Amino acid sequence: KAGVTQTPRYLIKTRGQQVTLSCSPISGHRSVSWYQQTPGQGLQFLFEYFSETQRNKGNFPGRFSGRQFSNSRSEMNVSTLELGDSALYLCASSLPREKRMNTEAFFGQGTRLTVV
Amino acid sequence: DAKTTQPPSMDCAEGRAANLPCNHSTISGNEYVYWYRQIHSQGPQYIIHGLKNNETNEMASLIITEDRKSSTLILPHATLRDTAVYYCIVSPSGIQGAQKLVFGQGTRLTINP
Repeated sequence: KAGVTQTPRYLIKTRGQQVTLSCSPISGHRSVSWYQQTPGQGLQFLFEYFSETQRNKGNFPGRFSGRQFSNSRSEMNVSTLELGDSALYLCASSLPREKRMNTEAFFGQGTRLTVV
Repeated sequence: DAKTTQPPSMDCAEGRAANLPCNHSTISGNEYVYWYRQIHSQGPQYIIHGLKNNETNEMASLIITEDRKSSTLILPHATLRDTAVYYCIVSPSGIQGAQKLVFGQGTRLTINP
């Protein structure tokens, strides 16, 4: 069974540009969450999508957005990039269709974004 | 903010049991205790979770105190590959519980040969 796949693995962008990151969840998982990891702030929750709807949102500015498609794949977008957006962006999937209650989240390897 | 307290670092000899403590004194009745670990530059890996009973799986054991205010993750026979940052997280029950994880700073566990 394939794990969570994030593309691209590495990305270099210039300040002011925008970027789109992609996440393919484990087959059958309906929930996709995104996290940002920086040396200073650690792992922080960005948002979560479930059945194409944003269900939870962390404390990030509106430049950070996301969406989920009908096949559960998800993308996150960061507009007007700032140097401080340089981070490892992690995606996690969970909630197989046959489960309704607590279950674990499976993380991808992340996309390392560098803003110069 | 994270609702757990963990020591910032610990050392353990290879082959010995690694016992990682976590305090979660404000845990509420419907919150689970989750443990994840992150090996350098990789995505976090789920280890185990529990509500009030002790749990064991192929990776580790989780011991939760009777008052649920603290827990201990036990890696029974630590190997060098267990060197990682270990995160203890409390998260509410229900379908949203696993999907919004609040990570603290974790414990950096170093396994020494």
